Amino acid sequence: EAQVTQNPRYLITVTGKKLTVTCSQNMNHEYMSWYRQDPGLGLRQIYYSMNVEVTDKGDVPEGYKVSRKEKRNFPLILESPSPNQTSLYFCASSWWSGERNEQFFGPGTRLTVL
Amino acid sequence: DAKTTQPNSMESNEEEPVHLPCNHSTISGTDYIHWYRQLPSQGPEYVIHGLTSNVNNRMASLAIAEDRKSSTLILHRATLRDAAVYYCILKSAGGFKTIFGAGTRLFVKA
Repeated sequence: EAQVTQNPRYLITVTGKKLTVTCSQNMNHEYMSWYRQDPGLGLRQIYYSMNVEVTDKGDVPEGYKVSRKEKRNFPLILESPSPNQTSLYFCASSWWSGERNEQFFGPGTRLTVL
Repeated sequence: DAKTTQPNSMESNEEEPVHLPCNHSTISGTDYIHWYRQLPSQGPEYVIHGLTSNVNNRMASLAIAEDRKSSTLILHRATLRDAAVYYCILKSAGGFKTIFGAGTRLFVKA
């Protein structure tokens, strides 16, 4: 089944404790992206990747890192999480930039930083 | 990417058609119009997209104004399962960023 998977689905952590949220897709997509969703602010793009080793900032990249060493994986790294990073995170992938092609979204990761 | 404007919420009766409007007055000639929806407790899912001509698929129809400054997503027979937030997005040619607006929350009454 074609899908985007995220792990963990739920995470409660404390300020400053490094964490990684994994994202994997099995559709051989070139383009992958991370979003956060907050009440009243909607979905905002954090980082995106056009292909292996090619990444760029979205609208809200501060406090996040990403890497794209393999085509299928696009982990989101929070080196020193803070409470304002408490949010619902979605990973997405598509064949390329998405101008024409649909993005497939993962099920989401709910992160709470205490 | 150009911005879009949608009503905050709309209400429909089950099994009736629903027309969800989107204004995009600053759209450029190469911007594609995409629609996604987000069901409760799920990630967004693709619905439909188009450039100039009206488009139909198994989920919905997309009607695009002749001047492309607005578009309408049409659900032909709303079901309770269609209750979701619907997002209208513009994707520029070669654009890598995606900007979601606030979307329209659709309520469907039985």
